[in-house]
Amino acid sequence: ETVLTQSPVTLALSPGERATLFCRASESVSNYLAWYQQKPGQAPRLLIYDAYNRATGIPARFSGSGSQTHFALTISNLEPEDFAIYYCQQRTNWPPTFGGGTTVEIK
Amino acid sequence: QLVESGGGLVKTGESLRLSCAASGFSVAEASMHWLRQAPGKGPEWVGRLKSDFEGATVDYAAAVQGRFIMSRDDGDNTVYLQMNSLKSDDTAVYYCASEYCSGNACYWAWFDPWGQGTLVTVSS
Repeated sequence: ETVLTQSPVTLALSPGERATLFCRASESVSNYLAWYQQKPGQAPRLLIYDAYNRATGIPARFSGSGSQTHFALTISNLEPEDFAIYYCQQRTNWPPTFGGGTTVEIK
Repeated sequence: QLVESGGGLVKTGESLRLSCAASGFSVAEASMHWLRQAPGKGPEWVGRLKSDFEGATVDYAAAVQGRFIMSRDDGDNTVYLQMNSLKSDDTAVYYCASEYCSGNACYWAWFDPWGQGTLVTVSS
């Protein structure tokens, strides 16, 4: 199965700063990669799908990029509610798989 | 909206049935998925039940194939996950989720919305 490796594991930033999170796939997933946000005690929420499309209701400060095996999620201006865990997920290769997550924490 | 129930503490080898009640859409018209998340880990896909339009077939992850069964009650608009021969590795929060739809397009393995989850703990 396709292994997704996320980096860094933890990112410590201040509100207003820019966050860049990375996801590397063990094999090509074309552009079929998504990003989710999870807050403590909550289910994940879809942010980005097909590498760069924002899901319904997701603010424009979230953007995705990349293709094949290297992807990035950028949060352009961190708001207090953005401090959370972020997961990437692929659907190109069976079964769908998730990365181990990046925690964005307040510095 | 999706609401799971049925989680709890069971012993190795026992069974448990989880329910996922949907509102606002028909589970027969959407591909429905179960996912799970062990403590401190990323989510793991467990299985899917396709929509009637896609033939209502079922697929499972290798880790649960032969032990877990997904089913659906259209009258109750509820999806079920029957879990048999439970192992300690099955301990996790279990979520049901629908495929994500935007406008007239639905994407079979992008998951949204998710339910709030139900905790399954398997102990020896």
